[in-house]
Amino acid sequence: DAGVTQSPTHLIKTRGQHVTLRCSPISGHKSVSWYQQVLGQGPQFIFQYYEKEERGRGNFPDRFSARQFPNYSSELNVNALLLGDSALYLCASSLEPGYGYTFGSGTRLTVV
Amino acid sequence: AQSVSQHNHHVILSEAASLELGCNYSYGGTVNLFWYVQYPGQHLQLLLKYFSGDPLVKGIKGFEAEFIKSKFSFNLRKPSVQWSDTAEYFCALDTDKLIFGTGTRLQVFP
Repeated sequence: DAGVTQSPTHLIKTRGQHVTLRCSPISGHKSVSWYQQVLGQGPQFIFQYYEKEERGRGNFPDRFSARQFPNYSSELNVNALLLGDSALYLCASSLEPGYGYTFGSGTRLTVV
Repeated sequence: AQSVSQHNHHVILSEAASLELGCNYSYGGTVNLFWYVQYPGQHLQLLLKYFSGDPLVKGIKGFEAEFIKSKFSFNLRKPSVQWSDTAEYFCALDTDKLIFGTGTRLQVFP
């Protein structure tokens, strides 16, 4: 029984580059949320998608965007990377918003 | 404003000691609360959750939490900690998105 899978697990990018992170939810889950966890802090909400529609957006700049595909997988895109974007990016899936969340192992992004 | 506060940033205990981690929230709607644990190098795992009903919630690995509405609190407890409980603990409030506290780092020494 596959959990939430995220790829890649680790990534190193240069300032100004673009990055795409991917998430596959648990089978049957229709909602995917993205969180950013900076070292020493709690995860911060970035986006939530449900049934391929954006349901919520956190306080992040427009350089951050996301989408959900018909199979409910999701991508998080970050343009014009800054050093401060270095963090663990977490994906969480749920049957629907507010129903309880299962987290993936995350993608560790390092911007140099 | 919706928020979650964890006042214990770093807790150090010896094995068999009792644990209580504080969590306070600010939210005017229906309260769904969670405690997550993050073991070193691992992903967030759900310890327990409160949606409604009995305010004393039991979770995995012997953890429990009590929801006290009048105090806006959802403290995590364990009567006797083990070395394997060393981890980061996060309290979270669900408002259709999860709002996390800053976390409490627990170190348990043998």
